Order: sequence, then C-alpha cells, then structure tokens
Amino acid sequence: SAVISQKPSRDICQRGTSLTIQCQVDSQVTMMFWYRQQPGQSLTLIATANQGSEATYESGFVIDKFPISRPNLTFSTLTVSNMSPEDSSIYLCSVEGDRLRSGNTIYFGEGSWLTVV
Amino acid sequence: DAKTTQPPSMDCAEGRAANLPCNHSTISGNEYVYWYRQIHSQGPQYIIHGLKNNETNEMASLIITEDRKSSTLILPHATLRDTAVYYCIAAFWSYQLTFGKGTKLSVIP
Repeated sequence: SAVISQKPSRDICQRGTSLTIQCQVDSQVTMMFWYRQQPGQSLTLIATANQGSEATYESGFVIDKFPISRPNLTFSTLTVSNMSPEDSSIYLCSVEGDRLRSGNTIYFGEGSWLTVV
Repeated sequence: DAKTTQPPSMDCAEGRAANLPCNHSTISGNEYVYWYRQIHSQGPQYIIHGLKNNETNEMASLIITEDRKSSTLILPHATLRDTAVYYCIAAFWSYQLTFGKGTKLSVIP
C-alpha cells in the first residue's frame, strides 16, 4: 500500500483563521481524496483532488471554504478557511491504490486533528 | 451505492474468531464489498474487499453469500489490537466509499 503522510498531525486553531493541511504520497497516484470526520461521526467525503484541474466537491462542501490544490501526482493540500468550532474534525487524505497490485481500493493517511477554539 | 447494515457493537474473546456480519440486500451486480477498520484516533485501515468469491488475506477472510446480500468478515484469532470500529461498504468504485456507523468490536482479554 502507499505511504501517506499528513501534516500537521494535530493543531489547535483560533476561530476565524485558516489552516492548510498537506498530504504527501510516496508514489504517483491518480486519485486523491479528502475526507472529514467530525467528533463521534463517520467519515464524509469532502472532495476529489484532481491533478491539473479544480477539485470536485461533494454536496455541502464548497471551494471557498475548503480550497484544494493538487500540483502533482504525489501531493495535495486542503485549506480549512475562516474556521469555526464546527470545523473541529479529523481531516483525512486518501489515495487510490495501485490497481494492478491491490485492485480497486483506497488507502488513508493518519489524519489531521483540528480543534478550533 | 448500496446501503449496508451492521450491528452497532460486538464483543469477542481474545484468541477466538471474530465474525462481523454485514447486510447489503440492495447491492448491485458490479458493486464490491469493502471492509475497513478504524482504531481510535487513527486513519481507516483497509482490510479486504471482494465481489463474488470469498477472499482471504493476511488480515482476514471475507465470506460473501451466494446471493451477495450479506457478508461476514472473519478475524481468525482476535487480539486486543483488533479492537476498532469496522466499516462494511458496498460500492462500485473504491473512491466512492460512503462510510456508515460501522460495528464497534471490543476484544475482551
């Protein structure tokens, strides 16, 4: 499986500020995704990070609030803008595995825990 | 994606097999069954997936019924480190995974 590194792993942020989360993969991947997991809840897909084009957002998530970059096939960033306490969540980067070796599956990073105060 | 139904929680004695059921009665013919688990405060970990045939890897076995309306994840010898929330997901493509509430498995010493 791919090795996925996320930074920061944990942060406490002030209300109204923005934070950028980085996701680095040890191999080139076509598909990268960003998920959110609010406290006590399951995972929710935010968007698909497309290399060379704008991200594709799921219902309820907008680019102004969660801008995403995907400059190459191994790296992506998610920014949480103008944060409020409701944005306190784990943010997870995930990537599609090598279809030839692992079939049709995706792998997750360890997540970035954000607490907004 | 087809909806899945899992029991909210289960206990299993350490060293025994953990059998986690999942119902996916509306699954379509080309939807896979995926299993992930999430140990507290960590990212979800891929376990196994299958389409029709039973599958086995170093972590677990996946038994899918012939009509594909349900499946069972088997951890053959549960350890305390297997305590986690287990998610069963039915999806056409891996990146269209919709996570439900899963089953909280507690492995008891």
